[in-house]
Amino acid sequence: AQSVSQHNHHVILSEAASLELGCNYSYGGTVNLFWYVQYPGQHLQLLLKYFSGDPLVKGIKGFEAEFIKSKFSFNLRKPSVQWSDTAEYFCAVNGNNRLAFGKGNQVVVIP
Amino acid sequence: DAGVIQSPRHEVTEMGQEVTLRCKPISGHNSLFWYRQTMMRGLELLIYFNNNVPIDDSGMPEDRFSAKMPNASFSTLKIQPSEPRDSAVYFCASRMEIRGTEAFFGQGTRLTVV
Repeated sequence: AQSVSQHNHHVILSEAASLELGCNYSYGGTVNLFWYVQYPGQHLQLLLKYFSGDPLVKGIKGFEAEFIKSKFSFNLRKPSVQWSDTAEYFCAVNGNNRLAFGKGNQVVVIP
Repeated sequence: DAGVIQSPRHEVTEMGQEVTLRCKPISGHNSLFWYRQTMMRGLELLIYFNNNVPIDDSGMPEDRFSAKMPNASFSTLKIQPSEPRDSAVYFCASRMEIRGTEAFFGQGTRLTVV
């Protein structure tokens, strides 16, 4: 079964700073990759996804992620964060229809 | 579509009682997932169904947990008997099993076992 690793569980940064969250997965077959965001007290919502084509994927709210197959990675980036980006971010891998999540990154943006 | 609907939104119960959580997936979706979210363990996949059939229940913590999907529009997760360590937020998600499609999550059920 696939697994997902996310690093730096807690991230604190100031508005306008750049954000990068790492995601590594283990699965030998074809995968679909996702980043979800969970705002405080809410359910998970899709930020962006990759399943084929251009490995640089652009999502909502200025987020993007790059799939590097050789590194089994799908890192999330945002050049300039806002206070409203305070949330928990989850990387997910869908292999053989089994959707597995990482443990998440708690991101706090200080105004 | 109203999205994935879970009920109840909050449940407080006493240790030893039976708890049933309910989920209505998005119409037309043929995969359904149950997750548990805690501070300590993050988001854990408990079980998932494809075309109403349980495919992988390896994440179900123990025999006290059971899940059913009697038809394409309804699933339950039951805990009997419940214990304080079962306190968590339980999410249901559904998706159409086509490559590249994402899962859609319900609002979750916050379970507190006292």
